Amino acid sequence: EAQVTQNPRYLITVTGKKLTVTCSQNMNHEYMSWYRQDPGLGLRQIYYSMNVEVTDKGDVPEGYKVSRKEKRNFPLILESPSPNQTSLYFCASSISPYDEQFFGPGTRLTVL
Amino acid sequence: AQSVTQPDIHITVSEGASLELRCNYSYGATPYLFWYVQSPGQGLQLLLKYFSGDTLVQGIKGFEAEFKRSQSSFNLRKPSVHWSDAAEYFCAVKSNFGNEKLTFGTGTRLTIIP
Repeated sequence: EAQVTQNPRYLITVTGKKLTVTCSQNMNHEYMSWYRQDPGLGLRQIYYSMNVEVTDKGDVPEGYKVSRKEKRNFPLILESPSPNQTSLYFCASSISPYDEQFFGPGTRLTVL
Repeated sequence: AQSVTQPDIHITVSEGASLELRCNYSYGATPYLFWYVQSPGQGLQLLLKYFSGDTLVQGIKGFEAEFKRSQSSFNLRKPSVHWSDAAEYFCAVKSNFGNEKLTFGTGTRLTIIP
């Protein structure tokens, strides 16, 4: 089944403790992206990647890192999480940024 | 910079009534436009998209949208809503050159009453 998977689905952590949210797609998509969703703010793009080893900042990259060492994986790294990063995070992939994006199920992160 | 405005935060309509969700974009040229739907607790699903050509676009689940360049709008419509259409709807825009960012609006939450 074609899908985007994210892990973990739920995470509660404390300020400053490094964490990684994994994202994997099995559709051989070139374009992958991370978003955060907050009430009243919609989805905001954090980082995107056009291909392996090619990443770029979205609208809200501060406090986040990404890597794209393999085509199928696009992990989101929070080196030193803070409470303002409490949010619902979505990973998405598509053939290109002009095509339909397929979204993962979301990761709900709480930083205390 | 590109931007998207969805002026209605929450809309309530009766089942069987018609629906129009508004979307206005800000961009210098003709952008790529999308409508996505998010059911409660779910990820987003594409309803339809516009790149060029016919300005009236048909999508899944009986939705359509019309691109109006003069109004910088891309409103979503459905002639008769069903209870299962209750969800949050997001308009999104992408420039047709330059950066590869995708910008979403803040969403419109749709409630259906019997």
